[in-house]
Amino acid sequence: SYELTQPLSVSVALGQTARISCGGYNIGSKNVHWYQQRPGQAPVMVIYRGSNRPSGIPERFSGSNSGNTATLTISRAQVGDEGDYYCQVWDSRTVVFGGGTKLTV
Amino acid sequence: EVQLVQSGGGLEQPGRSLRLSCAASGFTFDDYAMHWVRQAPGKGLEWVSSISWNSASIGYADSVKGRFTVSRDNAKNSLYLQMNSLRSEDTALYYCAKDIGPLHPSSDAFNLWGQGTMVIVSS
Repeated sequence: SYELTQPLSVSVALGQTARISCGGYNIGSKNVHWYQQRPGQAPVMVIYRGSNRPSGIPERFSGSNSGNTATLTISRAQVGDEGDYYCQVWDSRTVVFGGGTKLTV
Repeated sequence: EVQLVQSGGGLEQPGRSLRLSCAASGFTFDDYAMHWVRQAPGKGLEWVSSISWNSASIGYADSVKGRFTVSRDNAKNSLYLQMNSLRSEDTALYYCAKDIGPLHPSSDAFNLWGQGTMVIVSS
């Protein structure tokens, strides 16, 4: 079965840039989506189809996807960006989530 | 307001059944595929099931196949998850989620989530 690998945690200084990776075999050929989950809240989509930002998500959030790694980049990180981040793809008619990355600002 | 409001869940014994519901409002429900995703305490997200806009295509995770049944009633703008033969490992917060598009399987994202409903399986 297809697997997505994320770092358990990422720390970033206030105002700096955070990068969260999502590794998977040939993930560059798939649509990758990213979700933010703040403590005690439901997930929220922050990037879809690799690099698209839904309305209401700050421009500070961006995504890229190539080869075996997709990356979520958060520029000018704020305390409000803290939480868990999950990547997601579809593979063989099933949905696959990465294990999640805890972002600390 | 565009939202998904969940109900059902609770504490149930192993081997028993529960039914979860998800009521949609603020958008054309039958234009979109829908999904169930669960999260065990302190753990990550796990996909459970998906259903296309017209119920013609349905999918399940191996962990629930043969025990859980997803359905929808477009006339009532509602999504359901019938959970039978419950096991302790089914204990989790269950979310319903809306797809960006109508199809299952899709390659797309979940752009609206319910508030979650807790299911605890314990004797």
